[in-house]
Amino acid sequence: GAGVSQSPSNKVTEKGKDVELRCDPISGHTALYWYRQSLGQGLEFLIYFQGNSAPDKSGLPSDRFSAERTGGSVSTLTIQRTQQEDSAVYLCASSHGVANEKLFFGSGTQLSVL
Amino acid sequence: QKEVEQNSGPLSVPEGAIASLNCTYSDRGSQSFFWYRQYSGKSPELIMFIYSNGDKEDGRFTAQLNKASQYVSLLIRDSQPSDSATYLCAVNKGDYKLSFGAGTTVTVRA
Repeated sequence: GAGVSQSPSNKVTEKGKDVELRCDPISGHTALYWYRQSLGQGLEFLIYFQGNSAPDKSGLPSDRFSAERTGGSVSTLTIQRTQQEDSAVYLCASSHGVANEKLFFGSGTQLSVL
Repeated sequence: QKEVEQNSGPLSVPEGAIASLNCTYSDRGSQSFFWYRQYSGKSPELIMFIYSNGDKEDGRFTAQLNKASQYVSLLIRDSQPSDSATYLCAVNKGDYKLSFGAGTTVTVRA
């Protein structure tokens, strides 16, 4: 696609429910990143994919968070048993290769846990 | 100590003035440095990157890097109201991960 596409753009859920956030990177980009941005905060690294592999999951806040990428393209971030502190904007970004190249960000998913 | 630190602002400058933003980083091995601009409610977009000590100019923007002092700055000359945004400093240590600061909010007064 022309840019990084994320869906849904907004998600309101109840505490304890599971949510899935989707990211469709720019075609041909092998690197894919998930970041989280809380109100007034910087971007918090969650996970990095190179192709379908996730060599670094160190940023995932807890075992309630998981992510996968299939076909070297679409990625899904899953949050199980959501908590209010999970409320944030979840940003996906992609790049050709490594992070010393330009990251292209999607428009994000605003997650609100009530 | 945070990996990347920025003054949160807000930084208010009159139209036509120079806005100066600063960023410090903790890892002396950091290799590449980026400035992203984020408008309210939008996603970040890259505006500048710098790898070597010194200045790098692109239009009204100048990035300055001093590795010995571990700081990187961004100057916005002839500031315009459209420059009002949050500016995020990001640092890479030569691997895949960008570490971001919390951002400096800039407001340009018409």
